[in-house]
Amino acid sequence: DIQMTQSPSSLSASVGDRVTITCRASQSISSYLNWYQQKPGKAPKLLIYAASSLQSGVPSRFSGSGSGTDFTLTISSLQPEDFATYYCQQSYSTPCSFGQGTKLEIK
Amino acid sequence: QVQLQESGPGLVKPSETLSLTCTVSGGSISSYYWSWIRQPPGKGLEWIGYIYYSGSTNYNPSLKSRVTISVDTSKNQFSLKLSSVTAADTAVYYCARRETDGDHYWYFDLWGRGTLVTVSS
Repeated sequence: DIQMTQSPSSLSASVGDRVTITCRASQSISSYLNWYQQKPGKAPKLLIYAASSLQSGVPSRFSGSGSGTDFTLTISSLQPEDFATYYCQQSYSTPCSFGQGTKLEIK
Repeated sequence: QVQLQESGPGLVKPSETLSLTCTVSGGSISSYYWSWIRQPPGKGLEWIGYIYYSGSTNYNPSLKSRVTISVDTSKNQFSLKLSSVTAADTAVYYCARRETDGDHYWYFDLWGRGTLVTVSS
């Protein structure tokens, strides 16, 4: 099974900051990497698929990059509604697997 | 628009079988893969398995011996059964749709709101 490791596990930032979250796969997964945002008590919401493709309706301040084993999610200018937990997920092989999450908190 | 809604008991006794149903509204269950994903309180996400509308399935090996996912296209529903549950199976259970980009990348683009299932006597 492929293990997904996110860093950091938690992050404090301010509105307007540029933030980067990293996800590392235990083996190469090409670009089979998705990013989700989850707010408390809500289901995850798809942000980015195929490592860098922005899901319809998602603000352009979110971007994704990477391939192989190392990936990043960047939020160019944090907005109040962006404080949430973010998960990466590999769709390269079954079972698909998620990172442990990165909790983005207000500084 | 397409919406997913989980339903089923919120409390299950240890050693019994957890049963949940996901109803797809606003669209057809056909031509998609449908998944169950769970999240223990305060923890991360775990994929349980998926079913294609035709009935073919794939399960997480960690749960395979206890999981059955089925589909009822006439009702636009798919279901999860997890047997021999323990407290470790306490979680919010989500149903989700697996979409593709038309090529070979896939992702979970639609999710239900989730339902908390507690395993306790």
